[in-house]
Amino acid sequence: AQKVTQAQTEISVVEKEDVTLDCVYETRDTTYYLFWYKQPPSGELVFLIRRNSFDEQNEISGRYSWNFQKSTSSFNFTITASQVVDSAVYFCALSEAGGAQKLVFGQGTRLTINP
Amino acid sequence: DTAVSQTPKYLVTQMGNDKSIKCEQNLGHDTMYWYKQDSKKFLKIMFSYNNKELIINETVPNRFSPKSPDKAHLNLHINSLELGDSAVYFCASSQDSLISGNTIYFGEGSWLTVV
Repeated sequence: AQKVTQAQTEISVVEKEDVTLDCVYETRDTTYYLFWYKQPPSGELVFLIRRNSFDEQNEISGRYSWNFQKSTSSFNFTITASQVVDSAVYFCALSEAGGAQKLVFGQGTRLTINP
Repeated sequence: DTAVSQTPKYLVTQMGNDKSIKCEQNLGHDTMYWYKQDSKKFLKIMFSYNNKELIINETVPNRFSPKSPDKAHLNLHINSLELGDSAVYFCASSQDSLISGNTIYFGEGSWLTVV
């Protein structure tokens, strides 16, 4: 069965600090997809990144970076030089290749960036 | 133009009432979904439709009935509302759920409160 665990329920840092959000997943499939979504205080769900299981290359997009490690079943998300606008709940999600697609979400990490 | 739009955004209603939430996507996607986010922020899939056909029904009570008049619309009708139905309901879409790994794009959510 597929499962996503975000062990950090809440994180609070001061602006300009770097912060890493952890995500650990479980799946029996060899082909799967990992996602991160952001839910700001306004409530919408914003897509950030998708990564397939065959691509372990780390990705950087501006202040955001993602570290995918199959050996530890982790897909961690780092924000460098955090800003107040980064305050949100962040969700990691998994989709397996077999059958109809559905996202299994982690519990979410509430990130608060203090000025 | 909002890619996935759902109405109403806020809905307060009494127990026992019947209500509907409408969703439309203008992305040309084949697949649409309903996800539910509970009070603890946990997100879980309810239904998915591919080209107007039901693909996923995640043991949702029969009081919930999705309807897809065409592939750009997926409405959610809820009969005999209960207090436990209070949640945020997210509509979403993706290119094709039968090809795994497509990014799922979410609407802004509909906040349902049953009193």
